[in-house]
Amino acid sequence: DAGVTQSPTHLIKTRGQQVTLRCSPKSGHDTVSWYQQALGQGPQFIFQYYEEEERQRGNFPDRFSGHQFPNYSSELNVNALLLGDSALYLCASSLLDEQYFGPGTRLTVT
Amino acid sequence: SQKIEQNSEALNIQEGKTATLTCNYTNYSPAYLQWYRQDPGRGPVFLLLIRENEKEKRKERLKVTFDTTLKQSLFHITASQPADSATYLCALDIFSNSGYALNFGKGTSLLVTP
Repeated sequence: DAGVTQSPTHLIKTRGQQVTLRCSPKSGHDTVSWYQQALGQGPQFIFQYYEEEERQRGNFPDRFSGHQFPNYSSELNVNALLLGDSALYLCASSLLDEQYFGPGTRLTVT
Repeated sequence: SQKIEQNSEALNIQEGKTATLTCNYTNYSPAYLQWYRQDPGRGPVFLLLIRENEKEKRKERLKVTFDTTLKQSLFHITASQPADSATYLCALDIFSNSGYALNFGKGTSLLVTP
């Protein structure tokens, strides 16, 4: 059984560009959450998707948007990239209250 | 605002000893608290969950306590091994048990030396 997978592994973008990150949840999991982890910090909750709807949202600007597909996979989109968006982006899937994290996508904005 | 604080300094202990990590929180009434392990360059791995009505929980060499009066959780690793070296993260539910969204502390780095 594959765990949570994310793509790409690494990404380098320029300020002002847009980026799309992808996540496939663990088999049978219907809820996907996205987190941003800056270096030396704990993960910060961005938003959560359930039944293709954004269910909860953290304190992130509208430049951060997402989508969940019928197969429960999810995308995170970030527009108008800033240098401060450089971080490890983590996807987590859950069925109940235990979350399974993917390996993350390392985004570098130059 | 909601705040989670973990030991700010790295914890260095000798193999075989018990490691104790602290998580304090303010402006929260969490339904549960979770502990995760994170290795460099990897996503967090779930270790234990303890609910507000539970005082203590154990799993193999791990033990977690949860004091909602003190607003504190302690995480113990007994008979520590070098393989236990990692960053340990404390997390609380953000929206009062709705949706399982988590707020994490910064983590405590644990180094176990032989």
